[in-house]
Amino acid sequence: GEDVEQSLFLSVREGDSSVINCTYTDSSSTYLYWYKQEPGAGLQLLTYIFSNMDMKQDQRLTVLLNKKDKHLSLRIADTQTGDSAIYFCAESSSYKLIFGSGTRLLVRP
Amino acid sequence: GAVVSQHPSRVICKSGTSVKIECRSLDFQATTMFWYRQFPKKSLMLMATSNEGSKATYEQGVEKDKFLINHASLTLSTLTVTSAHPEDSSFYICSARDRVVSVSGNTIYFGEGSWLTVV
Repeated sequence: GEDVEQSLFLSVREGDSSVINCTYTDSSSTYLYWYKQEPGAGLQLLTYIFSNMDMKQDQRLTVLLNKKDKHLSLRIADTQTGDSAIYFCAESSSYKLIFGSGTRLLVRP
Repeated sequence: GAVVSQHPSRVICKSGTSVKIECRSLDFQATTMFWYRQFPKKSLMLMATSNEGSKATYEQGVEKDKFLINHASLTLSTLTVTSAHPEDSSFYICSARDRVVSVSGNTIYFGEGSWLTVV
């Protein structure tokens, strides 16, 4: 079945780059998403990538997709304390999203 | 941009009672709406998928008689937790799929979520 996996925790220093990784199993995924969730809040769509793309850049965010290895990553440049949150990757194929377990990003001053 | 509104954002109910959560697409028509549940410090679990005018499709392990989903129109879906118990306390999030693909290519939009506490 479909499965999405992420590492649970990442700690970086303010100003450094953060890289959050995700692997998925469904090769028919059409879109892959990154969501951000701050404490007590809902999901905020950060960015997404279509499955026929290798890379997408949006300001401080860079998404890399290796479709052969089914590996997705989110790079946040110049990480700020306000970036501290849980980041979920999700894949979409048959009209529904399958989420990873979320990576908690902690940004140290 | 497309907005999905959930109501109420927080609700406390007594054990044994029923509580209804609404999910509305405010400026688009949603052919499909999804209901997710999030346990503390855990990921989101898809509970069910609902299409306007038809019965919801529940994921394995989700009790359809306990979590009643109604998608009566293209802009409204409701989740009713019946005979609520403390273990039903959770964060429930809906998302809606726009029937029109946006310029950006995205079609799925999330509500802000609803915190349910059963006491």
